[in-house]
Amino acid sequence: NAGVTQTPKFQVLKTGQSMTLQCAQDMNHNSMYWYRQDPGMGLRLIYYSASEGTTDKGEVPNGYNVSRLNKREFSLRLESAAPSQTSVYFCASSSGGTSGANVLTFGAGSRLTVL
Amino acid sequence: DAKTTQPTSMDCAEGRAANLPCNHSTISGNEYVYWYRQIHSQGPQYIIHGLKNNETNEMASLIITEDRKSSTLILPHATLRDTAVYYCIVRVLYNQGGKLIFGQGTELSVKP
Repeated sequence: NAGVTQTPKFQVLKTGQSMTLQCAQDMNHNSMYWYRQDPGMGLRLIYYSASEGTTDKGEVPNGYNVSRLNKREFSLRLESAAPSQTSVYFCASSSGGTSGANVLTFGAGSRLTVL
Repeated sequence: DAKTTQPTSMDCAEGRAANLPCNHSTISGNEYVYWYRQIHSQGPQYIIHGLKNNETNEMASLIITEDRKSSTLILPHATLRDTAVYYCIVRVLYNQGGKLIFGQGTELSVKP
């Protein structure tokens, strides 16, 4: 089982460049999430998609856009990258719903450096 | 949103039980307590969750106080591979998908 797959694993950008982080899950999960983690800090929620066709802002959405392409895929786009967006980005998915079994499965992370 | 408070760091001797506390005094009646851990920059890994009863699985035990204002994650026989940052999270319910807000976590160091 692949679980949650993120691409690319590493990326270096120049300030002002754009790029898209891709995320795909094969667990038939309804909900998907994008988090970022800065050095020595916990994870912060950027955007999430509770179900196919919906997206909502998290704690730190500024500078990002997302697309829930289909049930499997949830992409994160940086339109004009800034050094402050240097971080490790994690995608996650969960079955969704309001039961306690709404456990998140995380990908391995994408390390982004903006020069 | 209910918030959690955890110690920044803890040490534990290998083979001993690791008891990680978490305070969540503003938790609502329908909010669950989740524990995740993150080993050296890998993606976080789910450990256990509970509502009000104590829970146990192959990884850990979760003890929730009767008033639900605090909980303790217990790793019964800690190994060096349990060295990680442990996150206690109270789940925020929103529409169909409950988003998780992570705090700073507790950095657990298991020492030989």
